[in-house]
Amino acid sequence: DVKVTQSSRYLVKRTGEKVFLECVQDMDHENMFWYRQDPGLGLRLIYFSYDVKMKEKGDIPEGYSVSREKKERFSLILESASTNQTSMYLCASSTGQGQVQPQHFGDGTRLSIL
Amino acid sequence: DAKTTQPPSMDCAEGRAANLPCNHSTISGNEYVYWYRQIHSQGPQYIIHGLKNNETNEMASLIITEDRKSSTLILPHATLRDTAVYYCIVRAATLNNAGNMLTFGGGTRLMVKP
Repeated sequence: DVKVTQSSRYLVKRTGEKVFLECVQDMDHENMFWYRQDPGLGLRLIYFSYDVKMKEKGDIPEGYSVSREKKERFSLILESASTNQTSMYLCASSTGQGQVQPQHFGDGTRLSIL
Repeated sequence: DAKTTQPPSMDCAEGRAANLPCNHSTISGNEYVYWYRQIHSQGPQYIIHGLKNNETNEMASLIITEDRKSSTLILPHATLRDTAVYYCIVRAATLNNAGNMLTFGGGTRLMVKP
């Protein structure tokens, strides 16, 4: 079975902190994604990566960075957390080139910035 | 990507088939139909996808009309654990990685009742 694991289900941090969200997939997928999901706004893509050390900006990259040093791991970094980054963060992965193959999601990290 | 229209909510009796419709009248020839669902407080779960032929897997069946302007997801024997929001998405198959974002609309909130 496809498995995408996010390091924390719930996280509470303070404004200005540097926050790391980790995601690991065990399917040897080339593509990995970070989204945030907010009520009324649906899913929004922050960053994605289609290979080790490669990254592409999504729709809302401001205030975030990513790291992909190994194929199975994709990290999202909030450089200096702010209250408007309180959200549900979802990691996903997919195989191959193009958009045909479905994306498989982790269970999400509900992040609260106080 | 083509726009989709789904009813906001549906009820289904436990053990009966749940038929979830989706309209995608502006679908293009190279666009696939995908279905995901999201159970409360979990990440989205991939269910099934297809281009023009009907598809079946262990979770569901996907029926696409001949003109491809609408489709129906069928859960043959709904259980209480199938209560979730179901999203129908239409996406083109491309060979480049740009625009890999997955966009969810409002979806259909399916309530399976005992």
